[in-house]
Amino acid sequence: EVQLVESGGGLVQPGGSLRLSCAASGFTFTNYAMSWVRQAPGKGLEWVSTVSGRGTSTYYADSVKGRLTISRDNSKNTLFVQMNSLRADDTAVYYCARDRLSMTGDWYFDLWGSGTLVSVSS
Amino acid sequence: SYDLTQAPSVSVSPGQTARITCSGDASPKRYVYWYQQKAGQAPVLVIYEDTKRPSGIPERFSGSSSGAMATLTISGAQVEDEADYYCYSTDSTKNDRVFGGGTKLTVL
Repeated sequence: EVQLVESGGGLVQPGGSLRLSCAASGFTFTNYAMSWVRQAPGKGLEWVSTVSGRGTSTYYADSVKGRLTISRDNSKNTLFVQMNSLRADDTAVYYCARDRLSMTGDWYFDLWGSGTLVSVSS
Repeated sequence: SYDLTQAPSVSVSPGQTARITCSGDASPKRYVYWYQQKAGQAPVLVIYEDTKRPSGIPERFSGSSSGAMATLTISGAQVEDEADYYCYSTDSTKNDRVFGGGTKLTVL
């Protein structure tokens, strides 16, 4: 079965760190770029970060640049994001998503995990 | 940065046609993708490249685009279509990946 399963969420104090993981199965992981997308409680979706299939290229939203680091271990079919200097406005459900390149040259998300909740509060 | 604007809510009765719009810049042309998110669930792609429907998505879902406006149409909306719908677009030259604010579709 093709699926993505996130883990690692939890409650963390402001300024703290957290590492999220996403286990992929059912497809050739290294063939796909992967992303993190988050959703604050009651709010919309926000793209956070993307890593290329080989892990050599990374991209970040301005809101997280310098605080989050995306990476992947293709030998273990796992995506990561290291989150440092966390703030209250980082509180969200973090989704792992598979990237697909369209015929028109756009990158979009064609498969999503169920998400993991990160709460930043003292 | 690039913005996509959606109406906060749309309401229809079962069997009626629901239209959800997404407005952005007319130029350069950017293709729009639509995601359905039911309460407590992860998003699901329902339309890609403005008009194409992934396998497994019911035929009542269709997409269109004209100028700066993209539209998701649900013909004969059903109660199970009640969800939040997000448009999405990207500018690969700027690594800019943007979602609209979402539209809550109520079918009752």
